[in-house]
Amino acid sequence: AAGVIQSPRHLIKEKRETATLKCYPIPRHDTVYWYQQGPGQDPQFLISFYEKMQSDKGSIPDRFSAQQFSDYHSELNMSSLELGDSALYFCASSSDRTGADTQYFGPGTRLTVL
Amino acid sequence: QKEVEQDPGPLSVPEGAIVSLNCTYSNSAFQYFMWYRQYSRKGPELLMYTYSSGNKEDGRFTAQVDKSSKYISLFIRDSQPSDSATYLCAANEGYSGGGADGLTFGKGTHLIIQP
Repeated sequence: AAGVIQSPRHLIKEKRETATLKCYPIPRHDTVYWYQQGPGQDPQFLISFYEKMQSDKGSIPDRFSAQQFSDYHSELNMSSLELGDSALYFCASSSDRTGADTQYFGPGTRLTVL
Repeated sequence: QKEVEQDPGPLSVPEGAIVSLNCTYSNSAFQYFMWYRQYSRKGPELLMYTYSSGNKEDGRFTAQVDKSSKYISLFIRDSQPSDSATYLCAANEGYSGGGADGLTFGKGTHLIIQP
């Protein structure tokens, strides 16, 4: 079965640079979520989109922004990168609008900020 | 204090044993409860989800939720070395929360199944 696709899988940036992470949800999934997982930490919810509209917002820094496009893929834009932004970034997708909202995670993008 | 609390372990058991993993939560608005398995440097893999209180069984896995005590459990029968991973409990309000609700995770329990 098709899974969530994330690109790139690894990214190395310098402080104060910008980064763009991409997420392609499971086919026919209309909802996308972004999570950040620091070393030894649990995933922290950043933001979600349903039908191209921002739906829920978590602990996303103001330096980050995201959007969902007409083909349902999503991009997370990160500016003025800081050393503390080094983490695994996961995208998850779902399609269950009846309430269960089971979220399926992608393989993640490992961001290293030097 | 985190809304979902989970003992990070590690928890080490012999192959074939029954494993019990547990979480507690504090947000009474949580309606949906999930268990994810995460191997090192990989994405979390959904194992089970449960709505409100009750039990759910899938193969060797059983999930239990007791909303009265705000307690979440995952049982693994006939544990295998391949079950060695970090197990994350998670919860959210579902769409009753007003949108595509982000998950709140526990810290994860590192499980080791000894051959």
